[in-house]
Amino acid sequence: GAVVSQHPSRVICKSGTSVKIECRSLDFQATTMFWYRQFPKKSLMLMATSNEGSKATYEQGVEKDKFLINHASLTLSTLTVTSAHPEDSSFYICSAPGTSGLRAYNEQFFGPGTRLTVL
Amino acid sequence: SQQGEEDPQALSIQEGENATMNCSYKTSINNLQWYRQNSGRGLVHLILIRSNEREKHSGRLRVTLDTSKKSSSLLITASRAADTASYFCATDPRNSGNTPLVFGKGTRLSVIA
Repeated sequence: GAVVSQHPSRVICKSGTSVKIECRSLDFQATTMFWYRQFPKKSLMLMATSNEGSKATYEQGVEKDKFLINHASLTLSTLTVTSAHPEDSSFYICSAPGTSGLRAYNEQFFGPGTRLTVL
Repeated sequence: SQQGEEDPQALSIQEGENATMNCSYKTSINNLQWYRQNSGRGLVHLILIRSNEREKHSGRLRVTLDTSKKSSSLLITASRAADTASYFCATDPRNSGNTPLVFGKGTRLSVIA
């Protein structure tokens, strides 16, 4: 099946620094990727839709200047948390819909997630 | 508001017992999916059921869908300790395949050996 990777899997940073998280589709192309945020024992909340070749679409309440998204190629989307604060500490997960030949009727493929801790 | 409300929110059972989790949603759908998430890990796709299906099986998993009640259930039979995880239902309201899924709140299942 299709594989989506994320890097790093875990990052600890100081307040005020920026952190970049990468999401890669390893064996398929993804013109669209989604970024979710998950707090402990909570569900996934969509943050933004990353579009290759165009600007990302952000959900209401998500600051686009704080969470910068760049869909650099058909296999890579990056999420940069700028000027991180402790309240940004969370689990960030990306997903990509598989191409029609791969996915079983709208299945999406999820990365393993990145645990961000801001001190 | 987020659709896909699972209940119970937490479930603890003994190994060998069956676990049933329910999910309700609000909008019309073309399919509903169930995912599993081990603590601190990504999501694993378990099963997809289409709106014209009422029941689907995959190994020890049985999913039902009642579109008239806008609800679905996930049954795990003969549970194992390794089934301990959070389970989420998810829908794609626009059914385009290129839109994000809407997740329920999830059920945290603990299977005690």
